[in-house]
Amino acid sequence: AQTVTQSQPEMSVQEAETVTLSCTYDTSESDYYLFWYKQPPSRQMILVIRQEAYKQQNATENRFSVNFQKAAKSFSLKISDSQLGDAAMYFCAYRSTFIQGAQKLVFGQGTRLTINP
Amino acid sequence: ETGVTQSPTHLIKTRGQQVTLRCSSQSGHNTVSWYQQALGQGPQFIFQYYREEENGRGNFPPRFSGLQFPNYSSELNVNALELDDSALYLCASSNTQGVDSPLHFGNGTRLTVT
Repeated sequence: AQTVTQSQPEMSVQEAETVTLSCTYDTSESDYYLFWYKQPPSRQMILVIRQEAYKQQNATENRFSVNFQKAAKSFSLKISDSQLGDAAMYFCAYRSTFIQGAQKLVFGQGTRLTINP
Repeated sequence: ETGVTQSPTHLIKTRGQQVTLRCSSQSGHNTVSWYQQALGQGPQFIFQYYREEENGRGNFPPRFSGLQFPNYSSELNVNALELDDSALYLCASSNTQGVDSPLHFGNGTRLTVT
């Protein structure tokens, strides 16, 4: 079974600075998807960024980028130019490529990110 | 386009009772899944429905059951509630069951069991 571990329960950063959130995972599969989701107080899970394991190039979405190290099974999220609206719980998640249960995401425990003005 | 909506937003039940949570999928979405998120934890996959059939289940007992209707709305039913069932229940939908289809989450139902 796949597992996802986020070792940082809480992180804080000054507004406009850069912060990196860590995530490691364990799987025996060679092809899969990895995600970072943001959960603000509204409770809705919002997709931040997605990475396909077969792609070597790290995904980037505006101020958000990942460092995907497949051999090390590491998937960190970098937030540049942090904004007050980035404050939320961030979850790393794994998704298998098998069709049955394809919507099954395996989530980490989350990292609470605080932005200091 | 209408997003994923869940009802009710909050619910308080007593141990041993039964509860039904509801989810309206985003327009055009035929696949729905349910997650349980205990306080301070990441969500855990309960099960998935595609075209009214369950086709994927996590490590949850049979007292957790679901339905998907022809209009793709969905219900999560939990029988014989236990204190540990207190959690945020999230519904997510996608327009196919393929792995490439992104999930869209609702705002969840907060269930408290006393």
